[in-house]
Amino acid sequence: VTLLEQNPRWRLVPRGQAVNLRCILKNSQYPWMSWYQQDLQKQLQWLFTLRSPGDKEVKSLPGADYLATRVTDTELRLQVANMSQGRTLYCTCSADRVGNTLYFGEGSRLIVV
Amino acid sequence: AQKVTQTQTSISVMEKTTVTMDCVYETRDSSYFLFWYKQTASGEIVFLIRQDSYKKENATEGHYSLNFQKPKSSIGLIITATQIEDSAVYFCAMRNQGGSAKLIFGEGTKLTVSS
Repeated sequence: VTLLEQNPRWRLVPRGQAVNLRCILKNSQYPWMSWYQQDLQKQLQWLFTLRSPGDKEVKSLPGADYLATRVTDTELRLQVANMSQGRTLYCTCSADRVGNTLYFGEGSRLIVV
Repeated sequence: AQKVTQTQTSISVMEKTTVTMDCVYETRDSSYFLFWYKQTASGEIVFLIRQDSYKKENATEGHYSLNFQKPKSSIGLIITATQIEDSAVYFCAMRNQGGSAKLIFGEGTKLTVSS
């Protein structure tokens, strides 16, 4: 059973252009939604966790700037800007913020051109 | 500082054999949670098995089991009767009890199963 739907699944991103990603939660029992990035060396790194509609956070990492927004109880968005190296962004969901298992979406692969 | 380390970059085994993948972690927290995930060639990341730090019994799930050695801060993944479809990259991860839904991942171990 698919818990998360991410789109787009992949995107060619011209250098200097921003891209917007969406993640839709299919099961409200896992409301804690997060974004993770996987770099070209396959290292996975946590970016954000947003629980409530209206929550926003920003972060800058080597190779990209991020703005995450929890739009509704079922929708999480991520804007990726100033990307200099390709990466894959994964959305996750969890039943709580303490110890429950995280489940991953299929990922959005971004390629810089 | 919290850290997860997988020293085995890649492992190759024959089908139907047993393989063990190593993982060590660092944390100052008394309560924490350990996970293993599998990433397929398509990029899909699938949850396999977990171990809660307060549980002494090693977790098992199908043909996956864990070797939890708390004094050594070690959580090995054991796959018995390996199949070609088990070929993937395996990630060890740790989550602490407090804070956000943040997993700290190891570098991953690539498993290749041959017939």
